[in-house]
Amino acid sequence: DAGITQSPRHKVTETGTPVTLRCHQTENHRYMYWYRQDPGHGLRLIHYSYGVKDTDKGEVSDGYSVSRSKTEDFLLTLESATSSQTSVYFCAIGRPPQRSSSYNEQFFGPGTRLTVL
Amino acid sequence: DQQVKQNSPSLSVQEGRISILNCDYTNSMFDYFLWYKKYPAEGPTFLISISSIKDKNEDGRFTVFLNKSAKHLSLHIVPSQPGDSAVYFCAASAGGGSNYKLTFGKGTLLTVNP
Repeated sequence: DAGITQSPRHKVTETGTPVTLRCHQTENHRYMYWYRQDPGHGLRLIHYSYGVKDTDKGEVSDGYSVSRSKTEDFLLTLESATSSQTSVYFCAIGRPPQRSSSYNEQFFGPGTRLTVL
Repeated sequence: DQQVKQNSPSLSVQEGRISILNCDYTNSMFDYFLWYKKYPAEGPTFLISISSIKDKNEDGRFTVFLNKSAKHLSLHIVPSQPGDSAVYFCAASAGGGSNYKLTFGKGTLLTVNP
């Protein structure tokens, strides 16, 4: 258990409204990631963070923004939700398998199911 | 352009037999590979990984094989159990220079029949 929680777990909203999803970790890991999962597409990276206030775009970043003001929280915002953003959103943290490892493995939260009507 | 491909959307095997899930990649910068298992309504769970300096890594019933020249990896599950029924994702990383980002395949749904 990597101590990752996501809130809310389910949300239904209307087109054009802003939505913010929260990812919280308890272990102080530097790297955090937001993905969306859609049928036929697997997991696609939206945005990621490599430290407080350090973020960058993933492959499907249009329509999304993120913020990381403290290590433990990574927020994903849909400024004006659209029906194409109906999806399941997963947050992940990256950590090395051993302290000396030069690789990272990612561990995922339970997900947020978002429906945009 | 898909850099990580899982060409079999689904696989069905009998309990006790071997399950073999395959994954191909195109980016020669990838040097670390991971497999995840996902049950419905849950987050993906890390299963096993392998670095490019190895060609095999084993953890209990799970073994991952890497063939760098063919840019191919496979996950073997022996013996398969009904509880292994899930979607399996292959993922690849190009390391710290890419901030350890993962590129995922589309997944393979494994069904293990009792």
